[in-house]
Amino acid sequence: AQSVAQPEDQVNVAEGNPLTVKCTYSVSGNPYLFWYVQYPNRGLQFLLKYITGDNLVKGSYGFEAEFNKSQTSFHLKKPSALVSDSALYFCAVRDLNRGSTLGRLYFGRGTQLTVWP
Amino acid sequence: DAGVTQSPTHLIKTRGQQVTLRCSPKSGHDTVSWYQQALGQGPQFIFQYYEEEERQRGNFPDRFSGHQFPNYSSELNVNALLLGDSALYLCASSLPIQGNTIYFGEGSWLTVV
Repeated sequence: AQSVAQPEDQVNVAEGNPLTVKCTYSVSGNPYLFWYVQYPNRGLQFLLKYITGDNLVKGSYGFEAEFNKSQTSFHLKKPSALVSDSALYFCAVRDLNRGSTLGRLYFGRGTQLTVWP
Repeated sequence: DAGVTQSPTHLIKTRGQQVTLRCSPKSGHDTVSWYQQALGQGPQFIFQYYEEEERQRGNFPDRFSGHQFPNYSSELNVNALLLGDSALYLCASSLPIQGNTIYFGEGSWLTVV
């Protein structure tokens, strides 16, 4: 079965400091991994995805994520945090139907990132 | 290029009533999925529609049903509402291509009283 774990409910970081939001996954076959961000009372915004290729994936708003197959992790990172990055972050893994390109997302519980000035 | 649009934004229903939520996918997308996000939780997959048929279904009762129209838009219907159905309902759209990005709408907030 596919699953995602986000071990930290909250991450607090000072503006200008680097940030990391952790994610580990469990999937049969090759993982398709995603990060989404959710601002208060809003839907999910796509940040980045890993499908194949380079283990370091660059996404929107200066975010990047590192895929580590041996550790089954896909941590979200940013070199210098902004107050405006404060939001709820979700890691997700995509499950593809065998023999099909249709698939569903399995989400973690989310990590609340707070960046203080 | 319009993204995924959902309506209504907010609604309040009484226990036992029925509700219909609507979704228009991102331009060019033909696959629509619905997710339920309860407070403090990650989104949970309800079902997915492609070519006007339900292709996958998550662990939700039959009270949850859906439909996809020829123009790829979709509806989510919930019958016999329970207090526990109060949640943010998210519509997502994509193309049936491996590795394709799934885009979400702003959601419909349902409160059952």
